[in-house]
Amino acid sequence: AQTVTQSQPEMSVQEAETVTLSCTYDTSESDYYLFWYKQPPSRQMILVIRQEAYKQQNATENRFSVNFQKAAKSFSLKISDSQLGDAAMYFCAYRSAMEYGNKLVFGAGTILRVKS
Amino acid sequence: DTAVSQTPKYLVTQMGNDKSIKCEQNLGHDTMYWYKQDSKKFLKIMFSYNNKELIINETVPNRFSPKSPDKAHLNLHINSLELGDSAVYFCASSLNDSPGTENIQYFGAGTRLSVL
Repeated sequence: AQTVTQSQPEMSVQEAETVTLSCTYDTSESDYYLFWYKQPPSRQMILVIRQEAYKQQNATENRFSVNFQKAAKSFSLKISDSQLGDAAMYFCAYRSAMEYGNKLVFGAGTILRVKS
Repeated sequence: DTAVSQTPKYLVTQMGNDKSIKCEQNLGHDTMYWYKQDSKKFLKIMFSYNNKELIINETVPNRFSPKSPDKAHLNLHINSLELGDSAVYFCASSLNDSPGTENIQYFGAGTRLSVL
């Protein structure tokens, strides 16, 4: 079974600075997708960024980028120019590209606090 | 217009009662899901349905019975509620459950269930 580990329960960043959230995963599959979801206090789960395992290029979405290291099974999220609205819980998630069902396997989450 | 909507947003009930949570998506998706987020914020899939057919049942007690009257709706009925059922329940949907495509999951705002 696949597992996702987020080793940082909580992180803090000063407004306008950069922060990196860590995620590692364990799988024996060669093809899969990885995601970062954001959950603000409103509870809504919002997709931040996604990465396909067979793509070597790291995904970017505006201020959000990932460092995907397939051999190390690492998928970290970098947030540049942090804003107060980035404060939320961030979840890393894994989805197999080989099984039907489309199941997302989540990490335990990292709370990100942004200081003004 | 909300893409994935759940009702109610909050549900407070006594142990032993039966309750239902409703979910509707207007995205034209074929696949819908229920996830449970426990008090430690850990998210885990419960069920997935593709075009009204059950695809995933993650060893959920049979007190939980999902029902999909059509592909736009996936309701969750819970019998004989227990204290441990207190959690936030999220509905989600995706285009389909095909493993080889990106298949982004879009989440509802969650239903906070409190069992007293």
